[in-house]
Amino acid sequence: SQQGEEDPQALSIQEGENATMNCSYKTSINNLQWYRQNSGRGLVHLILIRSNEREKHSGRLRVTLDTSKKSSSLLITASRAADTASYFCATDSRSGGGADGLTFGKGTHLIIQP
Amino acid sequence: DGGITQSPKYLFRKEGQNVTLSCEQNLNHDAMYWYRQDPGQGLRLIYYSQIVNDFQKGDIAEGYSVSREKKESFPLTVTSAQKNPTAFYLCASSAFPLRTVRYNEQFFGPGTRLTVL
Repeated sequence: SQQGEEDPQALSIQEGENATMNCSYKTSINNLQWYRQNSGRGLVHLILIRSNEREKHSGRLRVTLDTSKKSSSLLITASRAADTASYFCATDSRSGGGADGLTFGKGTHLIIQP
Repeated sequence: DGGITQSPKYLFRKEGQNVTLSCEQNLNHDAMYWYRQDPGQGLRLIYYSQIVNDFQKGDIAEGYSVSREKKESFPLTVTSAQKNPTAFYLCASSAFPLRTVRYNEQFFGPGTRLTVL
């Protein structure tokens, strides 16, 4: 079964606006990661947040983690057309801390309108 | 350039055939993974390997087989026992020190799209 569930499934916004995606998961984790996938391509790692962290920034990305609610959010500020992609959260719910594979949600498909 | 490569990019298989997907990495990573992605879905783990000559089943291993004879290579065979093999297959690797298991991001290859004719 899927560990993470992203919300919304699809999001369309105007260039320059902020985009927020949410992820919920079911079991305890060591860390949560966000990945991006352009159509028909492999995934690219964006950011990792540890279970003892509440917020993390990287460039135009801001990730929050609420372990009590088992949820995370990814905020992309000042969106650009090149941000159009699918975004996935991934958790390491297994005991191996991720070394034995990540569990991915179904993703949010983000479209930035020029 | 350091990275992870997959070949072929597109693969067509007739029913009843076995096919092998290649995955190679020159990142000196210990751990390698195979995932399957269906349209509009997330990734599901097929097999993973944390060290040479050892591998473990993931969530959907039935109908697949792997080998890990070299650190750099982790080929996936889709056997005729896999009833619905049409999908996008992604290989990934991560640096996994045997004693320190924390906070490992995964690096993905470009994927192989397999279609059953």
